[in-house]
Amino acid sequence: QSVLTQPPSTSGTPGQRVTISCSGSRSNIGSNTVNWYQHLPGTAPKLLIYSSNQRPSGVPDRFSGSKSGTSASLAISGLQSEDEADYYCATWDDSLNGFVFGTGTKVTVV
Amino acid sequence: QVQLQESGPGLVKPSETLSLTCTVSGGSISPFYWSWIRQPPGKGLEWIGYIYYSGNTNYNPSLKSRVTISVDTSKKQVSLRLTSVTAADTAVYYCAKHSGAYAPADNWGQGTLVTVSS
Repeated sequence: QSVLTQPPSTSGTPGQRVTISCSGSRSNIGSNTVNWYQHLPGTAPKLLIYSSNQRPSGVPDRFSGSKSGTSASLAISGLQSEDEADYYCATWDDSLNGFVFGTGTKVTVV
Repeated sequence: QVQLQESGPGLVKPSETLSLTCTVSGGSISPFYWSWIRQPPGKGLEWIGYIYYSGNTNYNPSLKSRVTISVDTSKKQVSLRLTSVTAADTAVYYCAKHSGAYAPADNWGQGTLVTVSS
């Protein structure tokens, strides 16, 4: 049902850099900025990136976001064990007139 | 920092109505937008809809016929009603705050699990 597509999973070793892609269409990512959330099971999702590349106060600069055309990416550099979580992209969809989420990506630190 | 707490029955029978309340503390309910978002077991997040503190609403088209979101500013509560539920509505339900109509959900509750089963 999600209109934004993400890879189901990715992994990396401590200190490594990982990237997560988010693919959409003209009516969502192509027309609006993208937000990223970090979600640990059993907890409240946390806003990680807003307006495609902005970090809320308190989010480490290891997390960065970018957008190009109808796709967006989240990069985590200097991967740490506490980064092991599910990550979701989200944006407004002009056709649906509502928010849409990505399919989610599970990041594992091996 | 605003805190959000979801509450309501954890078990609802099929065909009945799911009702949840989100209580806002530590801050004002205005002039913000308040969303309900859900996550079925093992699946991703789905936006249900939101309400402006003044009462204007916007719903996910896929759920619009069954959803009502309301706000009680005096009690600082936002409510969700979902009618004619089925097992597919089993999910953790979150309430979340937006600072603008297109702004991200920047503050979320812990969520509450609702199971639809007879």
